[in-house]
Amino acid sequence: GNSVTQMEGPVTLSEEAFLTINCTYTATGYPSLFWYVQYPGEGLQLLLKATKADDKGSNKGFEATYRKETTSFHLEKGSVQVSDSAVYFCALSDPMFSGGYNKLIFGAGTRLAVHP
Amino acid sequence: NAGVTQTPKFQVLKTGQSMTLQCAQDMNHNSMYWYRQDPGMGLRLIYYSASEGTTDKGEVPNGYNVSRLNKREFSLRLESAAPSQTSVYFCASSPRGANEKLFFGSGTQLSVL
Repeated sequence: GNSVTQMEGPVTLSEEAFLTINCTYTATGYPSLFWYVQYPGEGLQLLLKATKADDKGSNKGFEATYRKETTSFHLEKGSVQVSDSAVYFCALSDPMFSGGYNKLIFGAGTRLAVHP
Repeated sequence: NAGVTQTPKFQVLKTGQSMTLQCAQDMNHNSMYWYRQDPGMGLRLIYYSASEGTTDKGEVPNGYNVSRLNKREFSLRLESAAPSQTSVYFCASSPRGANEKLFFGSGTQLSVL
């Protein structure tokens, strides 16, 4: 079935370091891909999305490119801040869910800790 | 800007007790969802409601029931709580479907002893 695999955390970085969080997926059809972020004590928020191959989603300095050939959607940021400390979830919309209704499949999440 | 409101934020139950988690959204969204979040497993869909008057099972529906009371409200009921239901529960909504942005509540931390 469809699935999402993320790199295990925690990822610990110093402020202004470069961030990569790896995400790969398995899917039939052509899903949309998402990154959601969860700050401490809060619900998830959409960070960025891409709906087709080679699309690049971007927001708040984060970027991810939909790579169909490698089935990947890695999250990157050139210079992280302490305020980026959170849990990041990669997700895909499952186009094959019964009833023709899409649902999101989430990865396990990657915790990022940024130190001053 | 209330968005998605969940109550309660924390709950402790004994095995066999029942309870209802409440969720309401004020964005006029058609679709609502209940997820559970467990360490190392991401979020798993329990039930969803594509539109008012309809509900469907997700990946892990056993032990739960839901009610889409109206367009705003979508409740999750545990009839006889079990320790395996200890988790963080999130309600979410979206305008029409999961290809669009989901808006999440802040979660309910439930412990079943």
